[in-house]
Amino acid sequence: EAGVAQSPRYKIIEKRQSVAFWCNPISGHATLYWYQQILGQGPKLLIQFQNNGVVDDSQLPKDRFSAERLKGVDSTLKIQPAKLEDSAVYLCASSLERSTGELFFGEGSRLTVL
Amino acid sequence: EDKVVQSPLSLVVHEGDTVTLNCSYEVTNFRSLLWYKQEKKAPTFLFMLTSSGIEKKSGRLSSILDKKELFSILNITATQTGDSAIYLCALNSNYQLIWGAGTKLIIKP
Repeated sequence: EAGVAQSPRYKIIEKRQSVAFWCNPISGHATLYWYQQILGQGPKLLIQFQNNGVVDDSQLPKDRFSAERLKGVDSTLKIQPAKLEDSAVYLCASSLERSTGELFFGEGSRLTVL
Repeated sequence: EDKVVQSPLSLVVHEGDTVTLNCSYEVTNFRSLLWYKQEKKAPTFLFMLTSSGIEKKSGRLSSILDKKELFSILNITATQTGDSAIYLCALNSNYQLIWGAGTKLIIKP
């Protein structure tokens, strides 16, 4: 079974530039999550999709972050404009069911904002 | 407010030692508590606990939950260098996962 795919693995940009991350979840997984993980901290949920609908985006900084999951499969997370504090690993995860909490994570996209 | 606190934040032991990692929590609507292992890459699932006093075991790793005292422990016996990682505890409350900061475990040969 193929795992969660993410790209790019690494990205370096300057502040005020934009960046986009892509995620393809495990086939058949209805729930998709984007997390931000800053070094030394646990993952912080940015947005959760159930199929192509948003379940929770309460911690997404909507003035600069946006995410979509068209057709309920792959998803894109965008940051525009980036700030220094956005430097982090962006993890995408998927799950078969929303209720269990057993998530399957991708390798992550490491963003450095200079 | 739901909260997860892990201790210690970091731990260095020698190969062959036994370690115990702690996770305490405060929750409004408990559904489950989960443990994940994070090496250089993404977190991987270890255990899901829902009931008090029932030990979950996988090889040298085991975990147990105490819903009265609101904590869980993760034990690793006969540690190996491959056990070096960050161990994350997450609380499933109202279908949301609240994550601890993790315990960074380093196993010295």
